[in-house]
Amino acid sequence: QSVLTQPPSVSAAPGQKVTISCSGSSSNIGNYYVSWYQQLPGTAPKLLIYDNNKRPSGIPDRFSVSKSGTSATLGITGLQTGDEADYYCGAWDSSLNAVIFGGGTKVSVL
Amino acid sequence: QVQLQESGPGLVKPSQTLSLTCTVSGGSIRSGGYYWSWVRQHPGKGLEWIGYIYSSGTTYYNPSLKSRLTISVDTSTNQFSLKVSSVTAADTAVYFCARDDGLGAAEYWGQGTLLTVSS
Repeated sequence: QSVLTQPPSVSAAPGQKVTISCSGSSSNIGNYYVSWYQQLPGTAPKLLIYDNNKRPSGIPDRFSVSKSGTSATLGITGLQTGDEADYYCGAWDSSLNAVIFGGGTKVSVL
Repeated sequence: QVQLQESGPGLVKPSQTLSLTCTVSGGSIRSGGYYWSWVRQHPGKGLEWIGYIYSSGTTYYNPSLKSRLTISVDTSTNQFSLKVSSVTAADTAVYFCARDDGLGAAEYWGQGTLLTVSS
């Protein structure tokens, strides 16, 4: 069971928006930056968002994050078939002195 | 462009020690500012952080694995390594190395290497 809680799956039609929640606590999301990753089948995770809402070079602004208290939400707008993947949130946890990940959310494009 | 590449045996027998190495190119581990990380993924499962090391040699480990882990760095070869002792079938996974900012943001990853524990 992951310290960060994500829904197992979300889905939407092409062009629509999906949101993925990541719920934690004051020892992680509440006081530290959240990162988000996209993992396509058979590949390494790809950093989408870091420091709560910064995007590495090449990541489109269709991906954005909102954070409130001990939760964060990744939003993907203009959904494309290429967005079908597993998405993970991650953060530092000061109680564990460790990096922690959510259990992952599978995004399906209907 | 920073690139990372894992290397390892592919197959390890139960109770043995698995050893993996990550070779970094396009950037120097010695230059500092980043943590050099190991993450694994069991078949069909999510990501599990194993631990990371700074260029100074300071390490942080997943508490649930700590007693079996050793992460080391060799700045002369620009490599860092992972050793997991007393492996069981539960250690069968794809192992990734990555460059982390220390707070869980890893922009550069290796392609991953499958490590199977079996007799």
